[in-house]
Amino acid sequence: AQSVTQPDIHITVSEGASLELRCNYSYGATPYLFWYVQSPGQGLQLLLKYFSGDTLVQGIKGFEAEFKRSQSSFNLRKPSVHWSDAAEYFCAVVVNTNAGKSTFGDGTTLTVKP
Amino acid sequence: KAGVTQTPRYLIKTRGQQVTLSCSPISGHRSVSWYQQTPGQGLQFLFEYFSETQRNKGNFPGRFSGRQFSNSRSEMNVSTLELGDSALYLCASTPGLTNTGELFFGEGSRLTVL
Repeated sequence: AQSVTQPDIHITVSEGASLELRCNYSYGATPYLFWYVQSPGQGLQLLLKYFSGDTLVQGIKGFEAEFKRSQSSFNLRKPSVHWSDAAEYFCAVVVNTNAGKSTFGDGTTLTVKP
Repeated sequence: KAGVTQTPRYLIKTRGQQVTLSCSPISGHRSVSWYQQTPGQGLQFLFEYFSETQRNKGNFPGRFSGRQFSNSRSEMNVSTLELGDSALYLCASTPGLTNTGELFFGEGSRLTVL
């Protein structure tokens, strides 16, 4: 079945440490790929997107993501995590722009230790 | 530019009642999508509107409906509320004619059904 998988439900990192959040998708063709962040009680904010071209994309707040076609992955990274990065992160895909629908992973909750 | 505005932010209803939620998109955005977010089911697509027309619909019962006005503002309605309808309802707008999945979310309307 077509799906978006975020294997890690919860990740804890120390402030200043590097971060990698995993996202895998299962679709026949390469979809449009996105990462969103949601702080408690808030809506989602777009961090970055991949449509085509350079497989390493830069986003806001110092985040980047790398698309790997061979692994059907789109992992989110940050070299040095700040306490304010604590939030829930969602990977999302759009397979068919005519369908007007984004499919989201279940999310990864990031806790940052001081 | 003002962001996506959703009202009300919080509301409590009882089973059997109906509820209407409102969303004002970012100025110039003509596409509005609605998502339901629950701990058990995650983020699920409800419907998408463009130029006052429902362009796409998710797999929700007919109790869930929506509409869009000429100024792109949108409302969604849930009739005959059930306990399982308790959720965060998120509205998102997108620029352009096609919904590429680049979503700008509001802060959501948190509905509690008692």
